[in-house]
Amino acid sequence: KAGVTQTPRYLIKTRGQQVTLSCSPISGHRSVSWYQQTPGQGLQFLFEYFSETQRNKGNFPGRFSGRQFSNSRSEMNVSTLELGDSALYLCASRFQGGINEQYFGPGTRLTVT
Amino acid sequence: GENVEQHPSTLSVQEGDSAVIKCTYSDSASNYFPWYKQELGKRPQLIIDIRSNVGEKKDQRIAVTLNKTAKHFSLHITETQPEDSAVYFCAASRESGATNKLIFGTGTLLAVQP
Repeated sequence: KAGVTQTPRYLIKTRGQQVTLSCSPISGHRSVSWYQQTPGQGLQFLFEYFSETQRNKGNFPGRFSGRQFSNSRSEMNVSTLELGDSALYLCASRFQGGINEQYFGPGTRLTVT
Repeated sequence: GENVEQHPSTLSVQEGDSAVIKCTYSDSASNYFPWYKQELGKRPQLIIDIRSNVGEKKDQRIAVTLNKTAKHFSLHITETQPEDSAVYFCAASRESGATNKLIFGTGTLLAVQP
């Protein structure tokens, strides 16, 4: 079974621009979570989607948003990019309710200049 | 708020020795505790997890223990090998059918010296 995939793998953007990242979960997994990883803050939860609905949200500003499609693929969007948004963005998928093992994708390395 | 503390931040051991990483969580409702291993430039990989109805779980050279009263859980790696060198993250969450938000510790850089 193919693992979690994320595109693009690397991205360079300028302050003020917006960016959209994509995540395809493991086949059959319906829940997708997003995390931001930085050297200073570690791994921080952004949000989780299940059955196209946002089920939980972390403490990030409204510039960070996401969505999930009917095939469980998910996208996250960051608007008005700031230098501090430079990070590795990881998505993780899990099967569905009651089963908590989450499997991570390779991440998208976003650099904001 | 929810918080997971992890110690030590760095750990250097000789090949063949044991390594222990400890975590403390704040949310008493947490009942699922996974451990992830992240090699340089790679994705975090789930290596073992434990639920609150179990005190200990083993998988070959890796074991995890949980003390719910003290809100502590630990990762034990025996007979360490150079390929065990990586950053290890603990996490805690409330098991729920609807959502699973992982709160991560700050990570432990484990270096196994050959």
